[in-house]
Amino acid sequence: DIVLTQTPLSSPVTLGQPASISCRSSQSLVHSDGNTYLSWLQQRPGQPPRLLIYKISSRFSGVPDRFSGSGAGTDFTLKISRVESEDVGVYYCMQATHLLSFGGGTKLEIK
Amino acid sequence: EVQVVESGGGLIQPGGSLRLSCAASGFAVNTNFMSWVRQAPGKGLEWVSIIFIGGSTFYSDAVKGRFTISRDNSKNTLFLQMNRLRTDDTAMYYCARDTKDWGQGTLVTVSS
Repeated sequence: DIVLTQTPLSSPVTLGQPASISCRSSQSLVHSDGNTYLSWLQQRPGQPPRLLIYKISSRFSGVPDRFSGSGAGTDFTLKISRVESEDVGVYYCMQATHLLSFGGGTKLEIK
Repeated sequence: EVQVVESGGGLIQPGGSLRLSCAASGFAVNTNFMSWVRQAPGKGLEWVSIIFIGGSTFYSDAVKGRFTISRDNSKNTLFLQMNRLRTDDTAMYYCARDTKDWGQGTLVTVSS
């Protein structure tokens, strides 16, 4: 089973400042088809998860361009260039290369 | 517009059964992989089960042998049959198309 480890667990950020979340996989997430199925989800309080980024760095429909993803192999990063109040919530990395699994989540809060 | 809507949750006693449904619109359930993901109160996301386009199915160790995922192409609906429910199955259950589209969830509470 693939284990995804997210850091930090919690990230207090000042409005307008950047934020960064790391996700490390216990195995390479490169699929036999050559793609890397690493996604980032946002879950606002009381809401279902929402896809932000798929295949490491592709932004899903309607996602603001202040969200970006990067990485390769086993190490991945989600960056928010300028945090806004609506970004408060929990962020999860998720892999779909070997069935599915999720990171433990990172809580983004405003300082 | 792509949409998935879960239903079928509720309060059930330990050892009981429930069948969750996920009605899809805007796409065909047999043209994407579909999965069930759950979230216990105050906890993170946990993968439960997946069905691929070709029909192969897989389960997490926590539910293997108790839960069954299936789909009805004529009704464009995904199902999760849950048997021998335990208190630690209490969670919000989400249906997802690929990794992209998620429903609002249906709450399952297992308690005596």
